[in-house]
Amino acid sequence: QKEVEQNSGPLSVPEGAIASLNCTYSDRGSQSFFWYRQYSGKSPELIMSIYSNGDKEDGRFTAQLNKASQYVSLLIRDSQPSDSATYLCAVNPTGGQNFVFGPGTRLSVLP
Amino acid sequence: DTGVSQNPRHKITKRGQNVTFRCDPISEHNRLYWYRQTLGQGPEFLTYFQNEAQLEKSRLLSDRFSAERPKGSFSTLEIQRTEQGDSAMYLCASSLSQRGHQPQHFGDGTRLSIL
Repeated sequence: QKEVEQNSGPLSVPEGAIASLNCTYSDRGSQSFFWYRQYSGKSPELIMSIYSNGDKEDGRFTAQLNKASQYVSLLIRDSQPSDSATYLCAVNPTGGQNFVFGPGTRLSVLP
Repeated sequence: DTGVSQNPRHKITKRGQNVTFRCDPISEHNRLYWYRQTLGQGPEFLTYFQNEAQLEKSRLLSDRFSAERPKGSFSTLEIQRTEQGDSAMYLCASSLSQRGHQPQHFGDGTRLSIL
């Protein structure tokens, strides 16, 4: 069973703070990693993709990947109340075209 | 780019009835995926098409479920003899097939409620 794990939260941070979301995966051969944001009752929306070890920055978002530790994270700087949502980590497993999703971490940014 | 379109948005039906959902992917995307999502969980993979060929199916896809993509454009997902446990959000996603793994873009989903 190829698994993706996330802390379910809720993770509460004050407005303007850095939110740190973590994800671990079991399939060591995974090569592609994605973060999606999902507002309540809506579909997942792609935020970031990362394929190589290290950091990838896009605006207020930074994705970090460590394949040796099988760990991927998402940092949100200057968190805003509009960032309050569930964040899903998705991993493309070895030999497949589908994504394996974690259960999601619910983030609440407090004004 | 009009995005991935799913119909209907909501479906309420009695246990034992058959239901069919439709997905229209982003026009230039040749890969199409179906997922199921229940409350508090991430999406679970059901099946995947490249053009009209169904290349991968999850063991979650019992014999009551069937999916088609006859002309490599839109897809349908049919559930026969629905059960209470089928109540969920059914999500469709599409992507390009290029070197490496491309991000999947999701539609708004069809929420199925079984009475």
